[in-house]
Amino acid sequence: SQTIHQWPATLVQPVGSPLSLECTVEGTSNPNLYWYRQAAGRGLQLLFYSVGIGQISSEVPQNLSASRPQDRQFILSSKKLLLSDSGFYLCAWSVRVVGETQYFGPGTRLLVL
Amino acid sequence: EDKVVQSPLSLVVHEGDTVTLNCSYEVTNFRSLLWYKQEKKAPTFLFMLTSSGIEKKSGRLSSILDKKELFSILNITATQTGDSAVYLCIGGNNRKLIWGLGTSLAVNP
Repeated sequence: SQTIHQWPATLVQPVGSPLSLECTVEGTSNPNLYWYRQAAGRGLQLLFYSVGIGQISSEVPQNLSASRPQDRQFILSSKKLLLSDSGFYLCAWSVRVVGETQYFGPGTRLLVL
Repeated sequence: EDKVVQSPLSLVVHEGDTVTLNCSYEVTNFRSLLWYKQEKKAPTFLFMLTSSGIEKKSGRLSSILDKKELFSILNITATQTGDSAVYLCIGGNNRKLIWGLGTSLAVNP
């Protein structure tokens, strides 16, 4: 069966520090991978999605970047965090057809102080 | 512009009540509509609907899609406190998923 992991579960970082959130998927090959952010009181916002290694699409301009160094690994990064980067970050995977069901990881709660 | 609109935004019911959550969509080259339940953490998948008029059921939850009128409903019968969550509706085509803001359901004992 497929599983999706996110690391870390919770993170508190000072403004201006770098960020690296990791997402890994097991039990499937060539998945589509997604990064979402959910800010307090707001809906899910798609940040990035990837259809393959090294292929990243950005949905909104921002302070963050994403990379996919391996087929089942998706990394969300920032060189300098802003206060507005605080939120709940979710990674998801789907089979390689957009519009299909997405399965979510447990999420990372990020607090930037 | 593609959009998904859910109603109501918030709902409070008593245990045992039946609720109907609504989702209307405008999605270019529509492919599928998905329902998720989000409690304190990550959303969990409930249903994926692609065909009109075919009801999908899972226990006390059921959902149906109307592709002519461009909406879907999610029904929960005999609600329990564990049904309290935000229910998310998503419309998708072959390029993207469009998320609604969700309906927050609170079931009081």
